[in-house]
Amino acid sequence: GENVEQHPSTLSVQEGDSAVIKCTYSDSASNYFPWYKQELGKRPQLIIDIRSNVGEKKDQRIAVTLNKTAKHFSLHITETQPEDSAVYFCAASIRRGSTLGRLYFGRGTQLTVWP
Amino acid sequence: DAGVTQSPTHLIKTRGQQVTLRCSPKSGHDTVSWYQQALGQGPQFIFQYYEEEERQRGNFPDRFSGHQFPNYSSELNVNALLLGDSALYLCASSLRTSGRVYEQYFGPGTRLTVT
Repeated sequence: GENVEQHPSTLSVQEGDSAVIKCTYSDSASNYFPWYKQELGKRPQLIIDIRSNVGEKKDQRIAVTLNKTAKHFSLHITETQPEDSAVYFCAASIRRGSTLGRLYFGRGTQLTVWP
Repeated sequence: DAGVTQSPTHLIKTRGQQVTLRCSPKSGHDTVSWYQQALGQGPQFIFQYYEEEERQRGNFPDRFSGHQFPNYSSELNVNALLLGDSALYLCASSLRTSGRVYEQYFGPGTRLTVT
């Protein structure tokens, strides 16, 4: 099955700096890569996603890049704010076929933004 | 537009007991997936229901079973509880159209503690 590795496990940045979280995946059939933000005691919330036919996607301060050849994708947060502090999970999924919709998650990155 | 809801919020059970968790998907969604999230880990896929049938299953024993009702809501049942079953159980709903699954939205989860 798919194996998703996520780094780093913890990340501390100063408010206003950028943060980058990196993930790799093993199954070349994976074609959908969402990112979730989970605040303490709350549900994972989808913040951005990318499909395999796109190399980059941006939504305000958040961007995701995908390198299919190298099988890695990254989350970039610019101008970080204290409210960005949370655990971020990357995931990979095959959006068609017998494993339709199953998400394989990384182990998470605890992001702390210091004021 | 109601999001994904789960009940109960918290549950404490004793080893060997059985538990039933419930999930109502987001309005308009027809597919429900269940995930187990141990403390400090990413969610792990348990199984997925669509059209009242289990469509795929992760690496979980038969003690974990489920059901989907005609109104798309779902139940997760765990028999013969073990201490290691203590976790946050998350339900995610999505829309499965034309053989493709779109974004998955998570419920708030049920925190299960087995003593």
